[in-house]
Amino acid sequence: LAKTTQPISMDSYEGQEVNITCSHNNIATNDYITWYQQFPSQGPRFIIQGYKTKVTNEVASLFIPADRKSSTLSLPRVSLSDTAVYYCLVGPSNDYKLSFGAGTTVTVRA
Amino acid sequence: NAGVTQTPKFQVLKTGQSMTLQCAQDMNHNSMYWYRQDPGMGLRLIYYSASEGTTDKGEVPNGYNVSRLNKREFSLRLESAAPSQTSVYFCASRVNARTDTQYFGPGTRLTVL
Repeated sequence: LAKTTQPISMDSYEGQEVNITCSHNNIATNDYITWYQQFPSQGPRFIIQGYKTKVTNEVASLFIPADRKSSTLSLPRVSLSDTAVYYCLVGPSNDYKLSFGAGTTVTVRA
Repeated sequence: NAGVTQTPKFQVLKTGQSMTLQCAQDMNHNSMYWYRQDPGMGLRLIYYSASEGTTDKGEVPNGYNVSRLNKREFSLRLESAAPSQTSVYFCASRVNARTDTQYFGPGTRLTVL
């Protein structure tokens, strides 16, 4: 499994855009990049997944450069309810073992 | 459609006691997982079941056993609980290995004294 590195924590204010970058220098050709969000006292939930370029859904955007050695999760106009831990996972779509690192704790302040 | 359910929500054990954590999903998913999450840490995979009838070890299997009872249910057993097993336990499922989207249960908070 590709090793990932992401910041331990980030602070933001309501209405701002939050960008979390995940480094995955040894990403393999068949690896996908997936982000999960975890609120306190809850299990993680899927946010977005991508392979290359840009993916956007109603929650976030995922930017992946051509070399795929990093990726950036972008949360537009955050609110207090976006305070959570965000996990970056990298692995092949057919891999049963997915590893969650420590994640990035995002704190949104009023 | 309840998704992934776990019982119990909370449990306190004494060292050496045994217990089974129950997990069930009603989404007809093939794969199921057990994770543990220690305070301030990410999730670590204990065991997983790629499909009914199969189970495999994850990162931290020592001290645990699992049973994939049927397609819906995947239980985690602690035979002799230790304080180091104090943690929050999450069960998850996904359709199969072709998608990374895992659906998680609400968790079981276990304290071993």
